[in-house]
Amino acid sequence: DAGVIQSPRHEVTEMGQEVTLRCKPISGHNSLFWYRQTMMRGLELLIYFNNNVPIDDSGMPEDRFSAKMPNASFSTLKIQPSEPRDSAVYFCASRGGSGLRGTEAFFGQGTRLTVV
Amino acid sequence: AQTVTQSQPEMSVQEAETVTLSCTYDTSESDYYLFWYKQPPSRQMILVIRQEAYKQQNATENRFSVNFQKAAKSFSLKISDSQLGDAAMYFCAYRSRSGGGADGLTFGKGTHLIIQP
Repeated sequence: DAGVIQSPRHEVTEMGQEVTLRCKPISGHNSLFWYRQTMMRGLELLIYFNNNVPIDDSGMPEDRFSAKMPNASFSTLKIQPSEPRDSAVYFCASRGGSGLRGTEAFFGQGTRLTVV
Repeated sequence: AQTVTQSQPEMSVQEAETVTLSCTYDTSESDYYLFWYKQPPSRQMILVIRQEAYKQQNATENRFSVNFQKAAKSFSLKISDSQLGDAAMYFCAYRSRSGGGADGLTFGKGTHLIIQP
């Protein structure tokens, strides 16, 4: 398996523009997570899907952030409009399977977002 | 809400020596998982080791082992025979087993491990 695939790896955008980050989870995994990493706040959970249904979005910072999972193999995180303070690395992770293996979250390589 | 604290922002160790990274956590739950993740400069988050709270035996993965003290809510990582490739940020993480909305990972702020050749 190719692992969790995120695109793009890097994104530079101007303040006010819409940004869409994409994630393809590992096939067969039924849980998907979006995290944000900044120097100040570390790694924070933004939203969590189970079987394509959003379960907990309490970590989404503002209404400017939205996430969707239209099917088991694709998720998006959208920021509209973007602001400089949104600059961070955004990680997607997926988890699934049975037994001990099912306890592990596999992370993508992240998208580094810079809003200027 | 659970919190995870890593009190060592940076640690340095000589190659081939042993180093211990500290982690404490706060929770009112009795059943949970604890993890150590490694993040090298490539940014990739890599699972190093996991511990199930109901298991008293400390987890071990080759040169990596943990000291899990449930009553003290402490979960330290010991790296033996340190290698240059171990240089990275190390994150301690907590996950509830209760399911539902508490299923994501709560991370500590990380410890930057430097390996001196």
